[in-house]
Parts: sequence; C-alpha cells; structure tokens
Amino acid sequence: GEDVEQSLFLSVREGDSSVINCTYTDSSSTYLYWYKQEPGAGLQLLTYIFSNMDMKQDQRLTVLLNKKDKHLSLRIADTQTGDSAIYFCARGATNKLIFGTGTLLAVQP
Amino acid sequence: DAMVIQNPRYQVTQFGKPVTLSCSQTLNHNVMYWYQQKSSQAPKLLFHYYDKDFNNEADTPDNFQSRRPNTSFCFLDIRSPGLGDAAMYLCATSRASGVKTQYFGPGTRLLVL
Repeated sequence: GEDVEQSLFLSVREGDSSVINCTYTDSSSTYLYWYKQEPGAGLQLLTYIFSNMDMKQDQRLTVLLNKKDKHLSLRIADTQTGDSAIYFCARGATNKLIFGTGTLLAVQP
Repeated sequence: DAMVIQNPRYQVTQFGKPVTLSCSQTLNHNVMYWYQQKSSQAPKLLFHYYDKDFNNEADTPDNFQSRRPNTSFCFLDIRSPGLGDAAMYLCATSRASGVKTQYFGPGTRLLVL
C-alpha cells in the first residue's frame, strides 16, 4: 500500500465540523503537515505538528496525532463553502515531503 | 506579497519540443524543489537544490533537468515532452534547517499537444 493514505472524499454541510483523516506507515518523520489545494492552484500550508505533540490548535483548525496508531487528523470547525478544496497530509522525509492521496472536501450550503 | 512565483501559469507545448518552466522566490530560502502533480494525484518530488547542490530523485526521468543560477531562481527543463508529461508542476522552497516547512508557488499547468 501507499506510505501515506487518506480517504478520497468527504461531504459536510456548511457550519458543521469536518474531520479529515490520514494514516502513514513510516513513523520517522519529525513533522507532519496539512496542505490545502484549491482547483487549479498550488498548495497552501495550513498547519503542521511536531511529532512529539498530540494536538495543535490554530483558530478553526485542530490537528490530532496518534503516534501509536500512526494516525493524523485535521478538524475544521464551522466549515464554510470557502473550505471546499483538496486537503493533503504530508510527512517530512529527508529533504522532501511524502504526500497522501488527498481528500476532496465538499461543503454543501 | 508574493513569495514563490511561477511563470507561466499555463504552458502549451508540442510533443518533443523543449520547454522551460520558471520559479523565483523572495524568501531567501536555501532549498528549492520541483514537484510533478498529475491529475487527481499527489505531488511527486522530481528533484531539489540545496543551495547549488542538485539532488535528483531516483525515479525522475532523464528527460527532466533543472538549473539554479542563483538563490532566487530555479528552472525546470523538459527536453522532449511527451503526452505523459502533461501535469501541474509545482515549485517549493524551504529553509535548510529547523521546521523545513515547504512553501509552494501557484504551479504551472503544462499541456502537451
């Protein structure tokens, strides 16, 4: 299987919370990242977490890291239509990022 | 303020005709990266420069080359584009130490006719 995996699609209603999940196999990374990609655009860094942390909160975003289960999640509170995009998790490897397959978040009005 | 700039945003080339994509940065970061992202796929690293040191990924085809004439600029050269090279090409930069967070440009979408 892939090194970093994500579910392909998530649909939520505006105002609800979204939770995007990511699993990985190699636990050697020091940092794990979440990026957002809007249609036809580059990658926008949303947040990152240091591997010895369990949780990081940044305004509407909450990152949870379970190192034992090699599971990373991104929670978006009060999801808005402008949050519709593809979300990539990534782990830092030597001089590169290993990206997950991406999760398409669709926000219904 | 723009931090990582890519030109052009869209590039159309013909099968086998060499093409160059451009990236510049105002962050003064040591490291610059080129990623290829095909439709509905994750970005895949082609190579990176650590200052002037070029580092190629093992599975990057010889058809892809890169130049970094100074800290600010980095170029991706595709010597003989094939139909399979149509993709979004993303440039990114990072510091050489610390968090090493990568900052991406808007990408150049390449179409091969």
